[in-house]
Amino acid sequence: SAVISQKPSRDICQRGTSLTIQCQVDSQVTMMFWYRQQPGQSLTLIATANQGSEATYESGFVIDKFPISRPNLTFSTLTVSNMSPEDSSIYLCSVEAGSTDTQYFGPGTRLTVL
Amino acid sequence: GENVEQHPSTLSVQEGDSAVIKCTYSDSASNYFPWYKQELGKRPQLIIDIRSNVGEKKDQRIAVTLNKTAKHFSLHITETQPEDSAVYFCAASLTGGYNKLIFGAGTRLAVHP
Repeated sequence: SAVISQKPSRDICQRGTSLTIQCQVDSQVTMMFWYRQQPGQSLTLIATANQGSEATYESGFVIDKFPISRPNLTFSTLTVSNMSPEDSSIYLCSVEAGSTDTQYFGPGTRLTVL
Repeated sequence: GENVEQHPSTLSVQEGDSAVIKCTYSDSASNYFPWYKQELGKRPQLIIDIRSNVGEKKDQRIAVTLNKTAKHFSLHITETQPEDSAVYFCAASLTGGYNKLIFGAGTRLAVHP
């Protein structure tokens, strides 16, 4: 498996501001994923981030709203831009680790937008 | 694209009973099917997974079955315990370069002592 950390663990933000969430892994991984989990809901993939290339976004998510960086094989950031209350969710990063395709999740960032 | 449906949305059992959660998927190319358990306020944790070349996999009290023809897979928990209470998510993906997990809606399992 992999040890994954996220910062911040939670935040309360004002409408119209932006928040950058960090994801750190204890080993080098090729692919990192960012998910959103709205209150009481399932997980929805926002984008896939490969080191050295632009992130691939899923339908309904755009780079202007959720810019992603992947500067190296152990780190990624997701920014939630120009936030509105509808962005209040848990944001989770995940990685594929080991020789299988298993994905492991970070602890999540609980975002509340007022 | 892939779509995963999960049933039931809630499940309540008595301690010691069995619990079964079912998922169906739409993309016949999907070949990897993990199950995650998420306790309140915690991250999803992988509990078992199965690949399309296997029909059944078991790990102690937990088992998963896969029917590729019908495109459905199920999680079976035997001898349930109160600590099994959580939300369970199934997922499906096509592996090999871009492992995009599509999740079911989740099942809230309550095990009553």
